[in-house]
Amino acid sequence: ETGVTQTPRHLVMGMTNKKSLKCEQHLGHNAMYWYKQSAKKPLELMFVYNFKEQTENNSVPSRFSPECPNSSHLFLHLHTLQPEDSALYLCASAQQTNQPQHFGDGTRLSIL
Amino acid sequence: AQSVAQPEDQVNVAEGNPLTVKCTYSVSGNPYLFWYVQYPNRGLQFLLKYITGDNLVKGSYGFEAEFNKSQTSFHLKKPSALVSDSALYFCAVRDSGGYQKVTFGTGTKLQVIP
Repeated sequence: ETGVTQTPRHLVMGMTNKKSLKCEQHLGHNAMYWYKQSAKKPLELMFVYNFKEQTENNSVPSRFSPECPNSSHLFLHLHTLQPEDSALYLCASAQQTNQPQHFGDGTRLSIL
Repeated sequence: AQSVAQPEDQVNVAEGNPLTVKCTYSVSGNPYLFWYVQYPNRGLQFLLKYITGDNLVKGSYGFEAEFNKSQTSFHLKKPSALVSDSALYFCAVRDSGGYQKVTFGTGTKLQVIP
């Protein structure tokens, strides 16, 4: 139990679908992150939220849309994805941005 | 720009032997350094960090890492490897100055052979 819960754990969707990934943390942390993990590639930071404000958008395509309604929840809205977007999407949280991050177990996303 | 390198894709070690997983980094200022471990079908778990102070940092599950400023390295070590240590290990760095994102290495797969 890491304190960071991601749902769903697995998601298969077509390129024209719209879906959302959810992340929830009960650690009282102020920073939340979305990462993309693909085989044989470095972990890619996508978005950072600090005190509910987006502080980093790492040149992520607009078909990925984050939402942070409060400090405990983070969403990643998906729309018109491409096959190369198939990956493990990891959410993480931290007390502050210079502190260790706590990761969820990820959502394995497959685009047909 | 900051970067981190893990030169070995895989490290094999016999159970009971000491293990080392290598990491070198590059930052413009002083580094914050981290090691994480990832087991299959799980997220990353924090092992240890170096912020300042003693160059030898002790972490979870008997792991430790040594910060070497002159060699810009932060190698992960354990005196006696267990089969259960087999996993993917990530080194990460961020510059201590101002706001900077954390940069992760590509990961090293550790295989402990019974």
